[in-house]
Order: sequence, then structure tokens, then C-alpha cells
Amino acid sequence: AQSVTQLGSHVSVSEGALVLLRCNYSSSVPPYLFWYVQYPNQGLQLLLKYTSAATLVKGINGFEAEFKKSETSFHLTKPSAHMSDAAEYFCAVGGNAGNMLTFGGGTRLMVKP
Amino acid sequence: GAVVSQHPSRVICKSGTSVKIECRSLDFQATTMFWYRQFPKQSLMLMATSNEGSKATYEQGVEKDKFLINHASLTLSTLTVTSAHPEDSSFYICSASPSGSPGELFFGEGSRLTVL
Repeated sequence: AQSVTQLGSHVSVSEGALVLLRCNYSSSVPPYLFWYVQYPNQGLQLLLKYTSAATLVKGINGFEAEFKKSETSFHLTKPSAHMSDAAEYFCAVGGNAGNMLTFGGGTRLMVKP
Repeated sequence: GAVVSQHPSRVICKSGTSVKIECRSLDFQATTMFWYRQFPKQSLMLMATSNEGSKATYEQGVEKDKFLINHASLTLSTLTVTSAHPEDSSFYICSASPSGSPGELFFGEGSRLTVL
């Protein structure tokens, strides 16, 4: 069984500020972990993924996430927020082959000018 | 990266009609595809796992007679919402994985169904 908890359904930051979106997971097998971004009325775009290689994963658009097994966390960060980062972000966990994903509830990121 | 395409992106239909949504992997073969449903301002909920050449595996609480899934080829899965009602209105998203590629999943653009 696997589950994902995203702490904070809404996060608001100022443009240029640090972005931190939290994700905690549980999985009975070594997990694959993913962060996706979704813009209104669109599908999901993969930001980055952890597949048991390096624990610090760099993704697109300046995002990165660190896998911390001891904390069962995979928080997403970006040093400096941009207006175009405003979107819905989903953390997901997959087990075994990693193809069947369980999604967190999502976090809506708002960026203030 | 690999491309998964859904069609139609938007569909409006009358209550009682059936609607078919297609999910295609454009540049790879997919033995397995997944169908998700997303209600407004909510997360994605897995509806079913579509397996090429065999019956789909439905998640608990998903009516298999309401949501018919067919995966007749390695590049196409279809979701048919039968006798649609307004409560079936939602955003439906498919995903597919290249065969033998663990941890790789590509999502379609989604299909918004509105049932009047």
C-alpha cells in the first residue's frame, strides 16, 4: 500500500522568494517518487522523479527535490519563484515498476508580484 | 520525451448518451495504460488499469459497466462513458508507460467531459 500527503493545499509566495512544497509518502516497497505540475485545463507535466539513484533530483524550470528516507519526504523547492510557476503541483508515489501512481491532494502555488 | 495524446480534449453531451475518449501513445508501445479522473480542484483518482489484449482492472468503487475500457492495440486505449449523467462530468486523464520502462509514465492532455 502507498499513500502521499501534501501539506498545504495552497501556498502563496512573492515573486523571487523561495518555493517549498511539502510531500510525505508511505510505501511498503522502495518508492519511485514524482512531482508533476498542472496548468488549468491541461494534463500533467513531469517536473522531476526519484528512481533510487541520487537523492537530490534536479528537474525542469529550476525545481529540485530531495529524497529523505528517514523522514519519508520528497519536498519540492525552487530558489526563486517566477510568476509563471503559479499552477497546481502534485506529488506522486509509485511502487515496484513505478507505473501505477498514487497522487497527493495537490498544492496550488500562487505567486504574488 | 514520449507523447501521449487524448481525444477529444473537450466534449459536451446530453444526459443518457455515451461518450468515447481515446488515449494514444504516439511514439512508443504501451502494454499498460491508466485512466484517472479529476474533479474540480481535486487530485487525480485512479479509475482503472488498461492492459493490452485483456480486461481492464478497475479500482474499488468504479463501475465497470459505466466506464468501459478497451485496449485493443499497443498504442490505443479507449474509455467509454456509457449513459452519461451530469455527475459523470469530470476531467479524465490517461497515462501510459513504454513497455519495460519502470518509473516512466507519460500523461495525456486530459479530456473534459460535460454532461448536460
